[in-house]
Amino acid sequence: SYVLTQPPSVSVAPGQTARITCGGNNIGSKSVHWYQQKPGQAPVLVVSDDYDRPSGIPERFSGSNSGITATLTISRVEAGDEADYYCQVWDNSSDRSVFGGGTKLTVL
Amino acid sequence: QLQLQESGSGLVKPSQTLSLTCAVSGGSISSGGYSWSWIRQPPGKGLEWIGYIFHNGRTNFNPSLQSRVSISIDTSKNHFSLNLISVTAADTAVYYCARRNYGDSHFDLWGRGTLVTVSS
Repeated sequence: SYVLTQPPSVSVAPGQTARITCGGNNIGSKSVHWYQQKPGQAPVLVVSDDYDRPSGIPERFSGSNSGITATLTISRVEAGDEADYYCQVWDNSSDRSVFGGGTKLTVL
Repeated sequence: QLQLQESGSGLVKPSQTLSLTCAVSGGSISSGGYSWSWIRQPPGKGLEWIGYIFHNGRTNFNPSLQSRVSISIDTSKNHFSLNLISVTAADTAVYYCARRNYGDSHFDLWGRGTLVTVSS
């Protein structure tokens, strides 16, 4: 089955740029989605289809996807961005969803 | 605005069956073009997709749970349900229901989640 690999944690100072990666076999050929989850809350979609931002998501959130790595980039990081972030794809060969293990973003 | 709400037993004994329902409000579960999924999250751990169902009853499941899980849909009650048999402590988790537009591959709408604890 398809596997997505994320770093367990990323730390960044306020105002700096955070980059969270999601690795997978030929992931560049898939649509990658990113969710933000704060403690006690349901996940919220922040980037869909590699780089699209849903309505209401700040422009500071952006995405890219190529080769074996997709990346969520958060510019000008704020304290309120501290959360867990998950990547997700739909594996068309099996018609099943797959989540990455999640990355905890800490704002120093 | 369409909303999802999970409900069911918050405490299940080991070896018994976990049963949850996701009520869909503000819209019809029968409208084509969507699949309805269950996703869970053990305490302190990541998200795990369990499976989906279409309005016509077609399903697909995570291979790791396939032998124990079933999902059904009741269009007259506008809800869909999860059954997980032979539960153990490892099934303790927050269970979410979520919607996917068939033309997309992401989940655009989530319930708030419900905690199910497996304990004697």
